[in-house]
Amino acid sequence: AQKVTQAQTEISVVEKEDVTLDCVYETRDTTYYLFWYKQPPSGELVFLIRRNSFDEQNEISGRYSWNFQKSTSSFNFTITASQVVDSAVYFCALSETNSGGSNYKLTFGKGTLLTVNP
Amino acid sequence: GAGVSQSPRYKVAKRGQDVALRCDPISGHVSLFWYQQALGQGPEFLTYFQNEAQLDKSGLPSDRFFAERPEGSVSTLKIQRTQQEDSAVYLCASSLGPGALNYGYTFGSGTRLTVV
Repeated sequence: AQKVTQAQTEISVVEKEDVTLDCVYETRDTTYYLFWYKQPPSGELVFLIRRNSFDEQNEISGRYSWNFQKSTSSFNFTITASQVVDSAVYFCALSETNSGGSNYKLTFGKGTLLTVNP
Repeated sequence: GAGVSQSPRYKVAKRGQDVALRCDPISGHVSLFWYQQALGQGPEFLTYFQNEAQLDKSGLPSDRFFAERPEGSVSTLKIQRTQQEDSAVYLCASSLGPGALNYGYTFGSGTRLTVV
């Protein structure tokens, strides 16, 4: 069975600090996708990034960066120079491939609550 | 519409009552998903529609849960004889193509169900 572990339940930082959110996953699939979503207090899940299992290049988007390492089954997310607006719950998720070869189902971690204080 | 719309935003039900939760996906989106998010947890998959066909309902927790999408657009998640453990946020998501991985999901803001 697939599993996503976000060991950090809550993180609190002061504005402008860098912060890294950890994600470790387990899967037997050779082809899979990893995601990060942001859930602000309003409740909707906001898509941040999708990464497939064959692409281990790190990615940077503005203040956000992601480090994907298959060797350690990790997909960590770093926010540089954090801002108060970054305060939210962040979820890491893994796609699941069914017996028919379709991979539409997401398995989520329990999330990390990030609080950025002014 | 511009996004995925869910109604009601909040619902309080007495134990044993039936409830119906509505999801309006983005116009033209083929795929529709329901997820259940308990307090302090990540969302968990309930069911998946491709157009009007329910292709996967493996995540529905019991036969009290029923979902439909009769015309391939709006979907309703119905919970019969609600119980306290049904209290959660129910999230709907839609995707442009079959499956979701090449197209990505767009989530709604959810319906928070509280069973008292």
